[in-house]
Amino acid sequence: EVQLVESGGGLVQPGGSLRLSCAASGFTFSSFWMSWVRQAPGKGLEWVANIKQDGSEKYYVDSVKGRFTISRDNAKKSLFLQMNSLRAEDTAVYYCAGVGGNSWQFDYWGQGALVTVSS
Amino acid sequence: SYELIQPPSVSVSPGQTANITCSGDRLGDKYACWYQQKPGQSPLMVIYQDSKRPSGIPERFSGSNSGNTATLTISGTQTMDEADYYCQAWDSSTAVFGGGTMLTVL
Repeated sequence: EVQLVESGGGLVQPGGSLRLSCAASGFTFSSFWMSWVRQAPGKGLEWVANIKQDGSEKYYVDSVKGRFTISRDNAKKSLFLQMNSLRAEDTAVYYCAGVGGNSWQFDYWGQGALVTVSS
Repeated sequence: SYELIQPPSVSVSPGQTANITCSGDRLGDKYACWYQQKPGQSPLMVIYQDSKRPSGIPERFSGSNSGNTATLTISGTQTMDEADYYCQAWDSSTAVFGGGTMLTVL
């Protein structure tokens, strides 16, 4: 059974930092591009970042460039998102997602981790 | 930046056909995917590569993509299909989601 389990969410003050982790199991993690997708309360889905299988390519949505860093550890089957200089508008549920297939579809999703940026 | 536009809401009676559209510049030149999200749950892929159904997704879900519009069709809609639906495509290694469509079955 495929599982993606996020951790590390919580309440943080504006300007603060947080690191999300995602533990993968049930599929060949090292063969998949991986992404972070977020959803602000009551809003739609927003892609945040993705990373190639070997970590050699990384892409980010403009609003997080220079503040967020995506990384992975294939040996530990783990995905990470380091979030710095957090803003109120970063408040959201953050999903870890596995990207596969010819159409780069989001095949697998985690249950999400809530990040709240507030003073 | 690339945008995908969806109607905010669609209503359908049980047993009828629901069509949810997704518009984007030359979207037909890209692959479109569709995700279903029910309250409090993670998204679930229902269509990938324009028209393919993942294992376990009922046959009543189908998709098409041509020109500037991708369409998710739910035939014989059931009350359990009531959810938010998001289209998604890739543009230059960045993923783009539509704003989402709330499907009401009543």
